Amino acid sequence: NAGVTQTPKFRVLKTGQSMTLLCAQDMNHEYMYWYRQDPGMGLRLIHYSVGEGTTAKGEVPDGYNVSRLKKQNFLLGLESAAPSQTSVYFCASSPQIGGGNLEQYFGPGTRLTVT
Amino acid sequence: AQSVSQHNHHVILSEAASLELGCNYSYGGTVNLFWYVQYPGQHLQLLLKYFSGDPLVKGIKGFEAEFIKSKFSFNLRKPSVQWSDTAEYFCAVNRPNFGNEKLTFGTGTRLTIIP
Repeated sequence: NAGVTQTPKFRVLKTGQSMTLLCAQDMNHEYMYWYRQDPGMGLRLIHYSVGEGTTAKGEVPDGYNVSRLKKQNFLLGLESAAPSQTSVYFCASSPQIGGGNLEQYFGPGTRLTVT
Repeated sequence: AQSVSQHNHHVILSEAASLELGCNYSYGGTVNLFWYVQYPGQHLQLLLKYFSGDPLVKGIKGFEAEFIKSKFSFNLRKPSVQWSDTAEYFCAVNRPNFGNEKLTFGTGTRLTIIP
């Protein structure tokens, strides 16, 4: 049981390049999330999904797109990377227990630098 | 305005000192509350959570937190810290009646324990 895994662990992009971050979970969780973590700003939600085929915007969605074609995978895309997207990206998943019982399980993170 | 506030950005303590990290939120109504910990170089993991019942909840590694509804607070405490408690601590809030699939995180408190 690997939990939540993220690919890649590190990446350096040039401004304007595109890339996709992959998140996979093997816990059969309904909910999945993408966050970015920046110094002094905590975790900010980019996009999330409450089930296969559904996605929704979080707090800071601009410049990112997501897809959840399979229940176990949640992809985060950057179409045209900007230096402001330099950050550590965390994926998380959560079972759909209801009533706000949202214990989220986090992946190890992807450190992205945009030059 | 920040909806989840952690006013202590960096706390430095000696081993065996007592710890209290503040967390305040600005939502009315029902809330579910969480503390997550991120050890250096690792991903976030759940420390403890509150849903209902006894407002004093106990988590892993000797941590506890008290929900004081009248103060909109959920402060984290530990009677005697260890060097291994050095980490970043995040408070998070879920509002089950307003999109119960999301968490809002505070900006985090970095805790450094001096041996």
